[in-house]
Amino acid sequence: NAGVMQNPRHLVRRRGQEARLRCSPMKGHSHVYWYRQLPEEGLKFMVYLQKENIIDESGMPKERFSAEFPKEGPSILRIQQVVRGDSAAYFCASSMDSNYGYTFGSGTRLTVV
Amino acid sequence: EDKVVQSPLSLVVHEGDTVTLNCSYEVTNFRSLLWYKQEKKAPTFLFMLTSSGIEKKSGRLSSILDKKELSSILNITATQTGDSAIYLCAVARGDTDKLIFGTGTRLQVFP
Repeated sequence: NAGVMQNPRHLVRRRGQEARLRCSPMKGHSHVYWYRQLPEEGLKFMVYLQKENIIDESGMPKERFSAEFPKEGPSILRIQQVVRGDSAAYFCASSMDSNYGYTFGSGTRLTVV
Repeated sequence: EDKVVQSPLSLVVHEGDTVTLNCSYEVTNFRSLLWYKQEKKAPTFLFMLTSSGIEKKSGRLSSILDKKELSSILNITATQTGDSAIYLCAVARGDTDKLIFGTGTRLQVFP
């Protein structure tokens, strides 16, 4: 079992470009969560998805950020027109259902220059 | 607003010492409390606690939840340099699947 796979591990974007972060959950896991970690801060919830559905996006900024988890393929977190303040580590986690602790991926470190 | 507070922010000890990390929370509709260890990459799951007073133990690590005091402690005995990491506490609410994280305790263990 390969665990939760995130790619790329590091992503550098210029201001105004788009960033696409991918997450493949563990085999058998249908719940996917995205968290953002700013330097010296804890992880902040962004969005919770199940296959083809967004269940809770209360932590997503209202503009420029979107997430999907299609029937086939990985979950994608998309950030349009990136700004310096988007620089952070973005972690994806998956679980079998809501009664179990998550398994986290290794994260994507986004740097906006 | 939901809040999870960890203390201390940072801890430096020598190998062999015992440490206690604290986590307190103010969360509506509490369901469970989780501890994670974060080294350079992914947070790795340590414990999930749902019932007060029950100790979860794994080797040199143990944790107890006190629902009356809205807090939990994580104990590490006979620390080793490999225990150096950020320890994260998170609380899950019953009405949502998102976790509310504290900012973590950075533990450094020196030989």
